[in-house]
Amino acid sequence: QKEVEQNSGPLSVPEGAIASLNCTYSDRGSQSFFWYRQYSGKSPELIMSIYSNGDKEDGRFTAQLNKASQYVSLLIRDSQPSDSATYLCAVKQGGSEKLVFGKGTKLTVNP
Amino acid sequence: GAVVSQHPSWVICKSGTSVKIECRSLDFQATTMFWYRQFPKQSLMLMATSNEGSKATYEQGVEKDKFLINHASLTLSTLTVTSAHPEDSSFYICSARDSQGGSEQYFGPGTRLTVT
Repeated sequence: QKEVEQNSGPLSVPEGAIASLNCTYSDRGSQSFFWYRQYSGKSPELIMSIYSNGDKEDGRFTAQLNKASQYVSLLIRDSQPSDSATYLCAVKQGGSEKLVFGKGTKLTVNP
Repeated sequence: GAVVSQHPSWVICKSGTSVKIECRSLDFQATTMFWYRQFPKQSLMLMATSNEGSKATYEQGVEKDKFLINHASLTLSTLTVTSAHPEDSSFYICSARDSQGGSEQYFGPGTRLTVT
């Protein structure tokens, strides 16, 4: 069973802090990795994609990928209350169009 | 860019009737679209992969005769829930992959279906 694992949380951080979200995956053939944000009652929104080892930064968000450890993370700097949402890690496995989603980590940023 | 729309955003129907949900990619062509279902406080569940001009590929346990998918153009896929029952009440979300882009899937806003 090819899986994507995330801590379900909830993860609670104070406003202005760094939120760190982690994800592991089981399929070594995975090629593409994504982070989605889902507000309650809404559909997922793509916030980051990463394809190669290392860090990728976009504004307050940094995605980190380590294929050897089968690990991908998302850092949110200067967290804001508006960042409070469930963050979904998604992995595209080799040879498939489908994304495998983790169950999500619920983040709460406290003012 | 990469906008996906869904219509309707919510629908209430009586048990036994059919409901059609449309998913459109507004500013890109999508050879492949995906249909998901999400129950309250649960994770996304992929129902099927829809390919333009060919039959959809359904996930294990999803009844293809109950959830009819048509992907007749590069910008439109439809999901029809036939003979709906209360247990079909859920949040149905489509996503689309840009045919000229990478592997990213862009999600529509979702359709909330309530069957009474």
